[in-house]
Amino acid sequence: DTAVSQTPKYLVTQMGNDKSIKCEQNLGHDTMYWYKQDSKKFLKIMFSYNNKELIINETVPNRFSPKSPDKAHLNLHINSLELGDSAVYFCASSQDFGGATDTQYFGPGTRLTVL
Amino acid sequence: KQEVTQIPAALSVPEGENLVLNCSFTDSAIYNLQWFRQDPGKGLTSLLLIQSSQREQTSGRLNASLDKSSGRSTLYIAASQPGDSATYLCAVLGLSGAGSYQLTFGKGTKLSVIP
Repeated sequence: DTAVSQTPKYLVTQMGNDKSIKCEQNLGHDTMYWYKQDSKKFLKIMFSYNNKELIINETVPNRFSPKSPDKAHLNLHINSLELGDSAVYFCASSQDFGGATDTQYFGPGTRLTVL
Repeated sequence: KQEVTQIPAALSVPEGENLVLNCSFTDSAIYNLQWFRQDPGKGLTSLLLIQSSQREQTSGRLNASLDKSSGRSTLYIAASQPGDSATYLCAVLGLSGAGSYQLTFGKGTKLSVIP
């Protein structure tokens, strides 16, 4: 069974469109994250939710909006896509946050290409 | 603002050698530090997590140390194998100036183990 899954794996879309990436974890974890990895392989956290509460909200355009319907899901919605949004987006989860059990487990990534 | 630096950016060693990867961070007020590996085109795998109160963690051939006062961590890999070839990332969890949680990654060290 996949611990952290993301859909879709690849997403190719036109500039200006609105798209969503879904993430689900079946580990029973309380915390979930979204990361962006740019073309230079630099990994940067975007958001983190703990028990459905937003705890990390880095400086990202407000076109990006995370939505957590329950603890097992953290979806990423992106409005008005721009060329610079092209990247690989990773979802992750951890049992806790800031404690001894917050080892993070990552999904396989979603490669977003904006044309 | 926390900054995480990993040196070297790339490292190539013959199989069987012991090696050390370095990670330094500018703000010593951290909750924990985590080491990951990333294989090409894949997600991240958590290797070791060290709490701020700990000095080291070990898992198999890997040993990670943390010197919070000097802002340094090392990842020691014993008896390297070609399967260890990957990019190794360290990340520190702390608080931003605004008091919110902040997870900061280094840019990674790309390791190549030559058979």
